[in-house]
Amino acid sequence: ETGVTQTPRHLVMGMTNKKSLKCEQHLGHNAMYWYKQSAKKPLELMFVYSLEERVENNSVPSRFSPECPNSSHLFLHLHTLQPEDSALYLCASSQAGRGYGYTFGSGTRLTVV
Amino acid sequence: AQTVTQSQPEMSVQEAETVTLSCTYDTSESDYYLFWYKQPPSRQMILVIRQEAYKQQNATENRFSVNFQKAAKSFSLKISDSQLGDAAMYFCAYDTLIFYNDMRFGAGTRLTVKP
Repeated sequence: ETGVTQTPRHLVMGMTNKKSLKCEQHLGHNAMYWYKQSAKKPLELMFVYSLEERVENNSVPSRFSPECPNSSHLFLHLHTLQPEDSALYLCASSQAGRGYGYTFGSGTRLTVV
Repeated sequence: AQTVTQSQPEMSVQEAETVTLSCTYDTSESDYYLFWYKQPPSRQMILVIRQEAYKQQNATENRFSVNFQKAAKSFSLKISDSQLGDAAMYFCAYDTLIFYNDMRFGAGTRLTVKP
């Protein structure tokens, strides 16, 4: 049990589809994050939620839409994606301001066809 | 601009030997935290070791230890008695805790362990 669970593990979607990625943590953390990990690129921070409010979106295209209904759940809604959006999407959580680092999920491998 | 530099895209080590992964970073803050994360083929990023910048003593976790040189802004990871299960991508990171998005990651070093 990692503490941060992501589903689905793999996702293949067409450019006109709508899908959602789910992240769940039961660590009592108060901040959650979405990262994009592409081959040969550094980790890209997409969204940050603290206490269920979005505090950062880093100029992510609007075809990515996050949702954080409570402190334990985080979603990433996807629509009309492009092939270049194919990547590993990682969710993480932390106790903000404590310096203990992040706990990551195993990621969703997304392929856009 | 990337503020964490891992100058070794790939490293290899013989099983049971020792290997050191390099990391340098750039921050003007005096208080921050440094981390090494491991990402095996299972994809989950796992925290390996953590260092508080205001502590001079280098952190150790079993076979993993760091060489923290604050003035040089260097934070290398030493893996002793390397095992096949150590094969993974290793990411160096720091967090100043000023804002929620202050964690900065390096590009990673891929470590191969040869039997």
